[in-house]
Parts: sequence; C-alpha cells; structure tokens
Amino acid sequence: GAVVSQHPSRVICKSGTSVKIECRSLDFQATTMFWYRQFPKQSLMLMATSNEGSKATYEQGVEKDKFLINHASLTLSTLTVTSAHPEDSSFYICSARLGLAGKDEQFFGPGTRLTVL
Amino acid sequence: QKEVEQDPGPLSVPEGAIVSLNCTYSNSAFQYFMWYRQYSRKGPELLMYTYSSGNKEDGRFTAQVDKSSKYISLFIRDSQPSDSATYLCAMTYNNAGNMLTFGGGTRLMVKP
Repeated sequence: GAVVSQHPSRVICKSGTSVKIECRSLDFQATTMFWYRQFPKQSLMLMATSNEGSKATYEQGVEKDKFLINHASLTLSTLTVTSAHPEDSSFYICSARLGLAGKDEQFFGPGTRLTVL
Repeated sequence: QKEVEQDPGPLSVPEGAIVSLNCTYSNSAFQYFMWYRQYSRKGPELLMYTYSSGNKEDGRFTAQVDKSSKYISLFIRDSQPSDSATYLCAMTYNNAGNMLTFGGGTRLMVKP
C-alpha cells in the first residue's frame, strides 16, 4: 500500500520558536496533501489543503500566517508552525492523495506530536 | 450541530463479540463514506470505503450505509483485542481523495 511518512514524530519546543513538520509520500506522487490537527480524544480537524506548486487553501479559523504550508514537490509538503505557543500543542497529521482512476483515496502519515512549553 | 455525529464511547466488549459502530450525518450531499481505525498516537488507517447504500463486507468487517436515514455503521465480527482502537467515520462529497469530514471517533476496547 501507499506509504506516507512524517518527520519528526515528536517535537518539544519553547514558546515563540518555529517548528517545521515534513510530510512525504514515499512510493507515490501526491498532487494534493492535507494537514489535520487532532487534540486529545477529539477527531481530526482539517487545517488546510496543499496542492503542489500552488498556495494552500486554509479552512476557516486557521491562520495562514501562523501555519505556513509549502508543497514544493509531488512527494513533499511541509507545515511550519511559526511563533508557537502552548495552545498550538497538538497532534498534527498529514495525508496524501493517491488520485488514480478507480483508486482515489488519502493515505495518512503517522502524525507529529508537538508540545510547546 | 456537528455535520457528523459519532458516539465517543468508550465501548468495551469481550473478545469474540460483534461490535456495532455508528455515525449519523446531516448533509445529504455526502456521497462517499469511509471508516478509519486509529491506534493511539498513530495516523488513521483506512478500513472500509463505500459509496452506495447497502452493505459491503471485507473479512470480519461490514460497512453499512443508509443514505435515506443519513446513517452509517461498521460491524466487526469475532472481535479481537487487537481491534482495540479508535474508529473514525469520515465522509466526502465526491471521492475519498478529497476533503474528508470526520466524526469524533469511537474508542473501542476488546477485552481478552
């Protein structure tokens, strides 16, 4: 099956610093990647849709200047949390779209746990 | 009102039991329905994907969709301790490759 990786798996940072999270599709090309945030015991909330070579589309209530998304290649998208604060502590999960005819679905990465002190 | 409602549980069952997990939704525009399994601190894994009313079976899993009632279910037969996880329903307007709307997830515990 299609594999999506995320790096790092866990990061702890100080308030005010920026953190970059990478999402890679390892064995397929993904024109679209999605970024989700999941708070403890809650479901995944879509933050943004990232299309290769174009600006990301952010969901309502998600600050685009705080959560910078870059989708520079068909296998890599990055999410940078700028000037992180404790309320940004969460589980960030990406997914990559495998858009083949008859098999158009998303494959999820293992997630990145961000803790902001 | 949330677009997709799902009982958070936890649901605790003995090994071998039949498990029924359910979601209701309010938007009739949803056409594709998925069930994901998520183990603790891991990303979701797609279990089942359906787009028509009726049943779809895959091994011990059966997905059921009733579009007229806006109600979907996932049945797990002969449940195993390894099935212990959070189960998330998700749905989308066109296909599973596009933006998903998730339910809140139901935590399942299967006791040996």
